[in-house]
Amino acid sequence: DGGITQSPKYLFRKEGQNVTLSCEQNLNHDAMYWYRQDPGQGLRLIYYSQIVNDFQKGDIAEGYSVSREKKESFPLTVTSAQKNPTAFYLCASSTLGSETQYFGPGTRLLVL
Amino acid sequence: GEDVEQSLFLSVREGDSSVINCTYTDSSSTYLYWYKQEPGAGLQLLTYIFSNMDMKQDQRLTVLLNKKDKHLSLRIADTQTGDSAIYFCAENTGNNRKLIWGLGTSLAVNP
Repeated sequence: DGGITQSPKYLFRKEGQNVTLSCEQNLNHDAMYWYRQDPGQGLRLIYYSQIVNDFQKGDIAEGYSVSREKKESFPLTVTSAQKNPTAFYLCASSTLGSETQYFGPGTRLLVL
Repeated sequence: GEDVEQSLFLSVREGDSSVINCTYTDSSSTYLYWYKQEPGAGLQLLTYIFSNMDMKQDQRLTVLLNKKDKHLSLRIADTQTGDSAIYFCAENTGNNRKLIWGLGTSLAVNP
């Protein structure tokens, strides 16, 4: 069954803690993306990667980090430098030559 | 700069048609997209239209594109309560595969 999986569904972060959100795809897509969604603000691009071992900052990269060591995986770390991390985080992927993005189910991050 | 605008709310009665509108600014866009998001879920690709097309129909969904006015619409025929969701319009810019997103239109379907 092909698709994009994100885990966990809910994640709790304590003050000063780094947390990592998982995104895996078995669609053989080249590009992967991380978005943040806040109520009334639509989707904002955090980071994206078009190829393994390469990634670019999106519009709101501060306080976040990513890696792309494997084609299938694009984990997002929310660092302690991100002062307002409470949001819904969405991962997406697309194939070479297409901008059509397919999304995972999302992870909701809450701060304790 | 690049921008996509949508009205934020739409309310319809079950069985009526819904029309969700979107305007965009980048005339070089090649694809325009409609995505659906149900509460607490990811985005589901509904349909997309290539910029050299005026209309695309897929079952209950009809997409109309007016390139002159940079206006895109999504019509849902015979709207059902299961269609209640947020609908996002997006355009590609050819800029490193980034999509430009609207803020979403929240569709409420009343029985």
